[in-house]
Amino acid sequence: NAGVTQTPKFQVLKTGQSMTLQCAQDMNHNSMYWYRQDPGMGLRLIYYSASEGTTDKGEVPNGYNVSRLNKREFSLRLESAAPSQTSVYFCASSEVGSAYNEQFFGPGTRLTVL
Amino acid sequence: AQSVTQPDIHITVSEGASLELRCNYSYGATPYLFWYVQSPGQGLQLLLKYFSGDTLVQGIKGFEAEFKRSQSSFNLRKPSVHWSDAAEYFCAVGPPFGSNYQLIWGAGTKLIIKP
Repeated sequence: NAGVTQTPKFQVLKTGQSMTLQCAQDMNHNSMYWYRQDPGMGLRLIYYSASEGTTDKGEVPNGYNVSRLNKREFSLRLESAAPSQTSVYFCASSEVGSAYNEQFFGPGTRLTVL
Repeated sequence: AQSVTQPDIHITVSEGASLELRCNYSYGATPYLFWYVQSPGQGLQLLLKYFSGDTLVQGIKGFEAEFKRSQSSFNLRKPSVHWSDAAEYFCAVGPPFGSNYQLIWGAGTKLIIKP
């Protein structure tokens, strides 16, 4: 079991470029999440998908889009990257969305926007 | 406003010494409480959680946490740290019977172990 995998691990973009962060889980989980982690701040939820076929905005969705491609995969797209999007991005999954269920995290993608 | 505060950005502890990481929260009701650990280059992993009942909660890797309602705190403890405990620790809170996407996260405390 690989758990939650993310690609790429590192990425440098220029302002205005676009990219997609990929996330996949092999635990047959229903719910998936995208977070960003910035120094001195807690994790902030960007988007989540409670189940296959649904996506919803989290705390900081501006500048991002997501796709729940199937039950396994949940991608995050930056259409026009900005320096404010420099961050570490984590994907997570849980069996269902209830807080009773542990979230499992990927190793993260470190993104720098110049 | 709902918030989670981890007052210590960094803590340095000698190997074998005891550890306490602080977490204070501001929340309308008694929330669900969590501690996660992020080892270098890894994703976050759940250490322990509190929903109700016994206020002293045991977790993995020898960690425990105590919920103190009167102090709105959920401090993480370990009697004797090992070099492998060097990591960043995050406290999170969420609404009772709520959802993972409603969690509020602290800014984290980085634990440094002195040999």
